[in-house]
Amino acid sequence: EIVMTQSPATLSVSPGERATLSCRASQSVNSNLAWYLQKPGQAPRLLIHGASTRATGIPGRLSGSGSGTEFTLSISSLQSEDSAVYYCQQYNLWPLTFGGGTKVEI
Amino acid sequence: QVQLQESGPGLVKPSETLSLTCTVSGDSISSYHWTWIRQPPGKGLEWIGCLYNSGTTVYNPSLKSRVSISIDTSKNQLSLNLNSVTAADTAIYYCATTKRWLSFDIWGPGTMVTVSS
Repeated sequence: EIVMTQSPATLSVSPGERATLSCRASQSVNSNLAWYLQKPGQAPRLLIHGASTRATGIPGRLSGSGSGTEFTLSISSLQSEDSAVYYCQQYNLWPLTFGGGTKVEI
Repeated sequence: QVQLQESGPGLVKPSETLSLTCTVSGDSISSYHWTWIRQPPGKGLEWIGCLYNSGTTVYNPSLKSRVSISIDTSKNQLSLNLNSVTAADTAIYYCATTKRWLSFDIWGPGTMVTVSS
């Protein structure tokens, strides 16, 4: 199975700053990568699909990039509402796999 | 907008079968690809399996011998059965769906299942 590795495990940033989250795949997933956000007590929410396409309703200060094995989620002008755990997920090959998550603390 | 709601027993005894239902409202269940995903307390997300194109199923190899996912179009429901459960199956279970290929943009709120005697 494809192993997804996210870094860092925890990211502490100040309001207004920019956060950069990384996701690495153990083999190429092409652009078949999604990013999700999960807040405590809530279901995950899709942010990005196709590595760089924002899901409906996601603001432009979130952007995804990368292809193959290296991916990045960037969040600019961080706000308190961005505090959450962020997961990447590959859907290039079965089984679908998730990264371990990055916790963003504002 | 389609909405999902998971339901089922919150407590299951070891060695028994965990059975959950995801009730779909707002659209036809046949129009989507479906998945079950679980999350043990305080841990990350684990994919259980998918049902796509209204009938094809694929399961996580780590669970394959114990899991089945099915669809009831007459009731607009998705079902999950996981047999021979152990404490390691204790988790929040989510159903999720998409019309795209396998990035899931609609999720149920999840249902907590505890395996304990």
